[in-house]
Amino acid sequence: GESVGLHLPTLSVQEGDNSIINCAYSNSASDYFIWYKQESGKGPQFIIDIRSNMDKRQGQRVTVLLNKTVKHLSLQIAATQPGDSAVYFCAEKSGGYQKVTFGTGTKLQVIP
Amino acid sequence: ETGVTQSPTHLIKTRGQQVTLRCSSQSGHNTVSWYQQALGQGPQFIFQYYREEENGRGNFPPRFSGLQFPNYSSELNVNALELDDSALYLCASSLAKGGNTEAFFGQGTRLTVV
Repeated sequence: GESVGLHLPTLSVQEGDNSIINCAYSNSASDYFIWYKQESGKGPQFIIDIRSNMDKRQGQRVTVLLNKTVKHLSLQIAATQPGDSAVYFCAEKSGGYQKVTFGTGTKLQVIP
Repeated sequence: ETGVTQSPTHLIKTRGQQVTLRCSSQSGHNTVSWYQQALGQGPQFIFQYYREEENGRGNFPPRFSGLQFPNYSSELNVNALELDDSALYLCASSLAKGGNTEAFFGQGTRLTVV
């Protein structure tokens, strides 16, 4: 299938280790942030979201941290598994408008 | 699976031709957004439809147009195709025009313009 990971920053982690993927956003008016996972040949898949009135949110094996002061978002994946290998995008929305603005993306490679 | 289906999955067209891509939204969703994803890049917003009307547009020329039908399915039409239109076209459906609601993406249509 196609590769969505060409020319993207790559993070390589050992299976079982924790992964941290970082993202800087530009729009200070953004009030909703989402992390998506995209596997080769597939559309983006929702992982976790966070509203601007929060600074941390946890899901199953994933945690999103938001630092509005420096406009920084991170995704932490605990006990990374081979199935986590994909391209990860942060995305932002503002004002309740449904347009989602995607970041550049980071390719996560899990080494068995 | 997200319940959002797109057709066709792959398509090859010649420069100057016109193309129509289709999207069936998830049951109950009234909003559809279209995105263009070039190889190695993040998706770029084209436009959004809410209850059959365009509800916002990204930085794409007028030869990119769309429709939403009463059943909330949608079409993306591109006229006068250019080589740079080659990309993965994604649609996403969601429940509401506004608010922070999750959008579900289809698997995309890979368009190649030769």
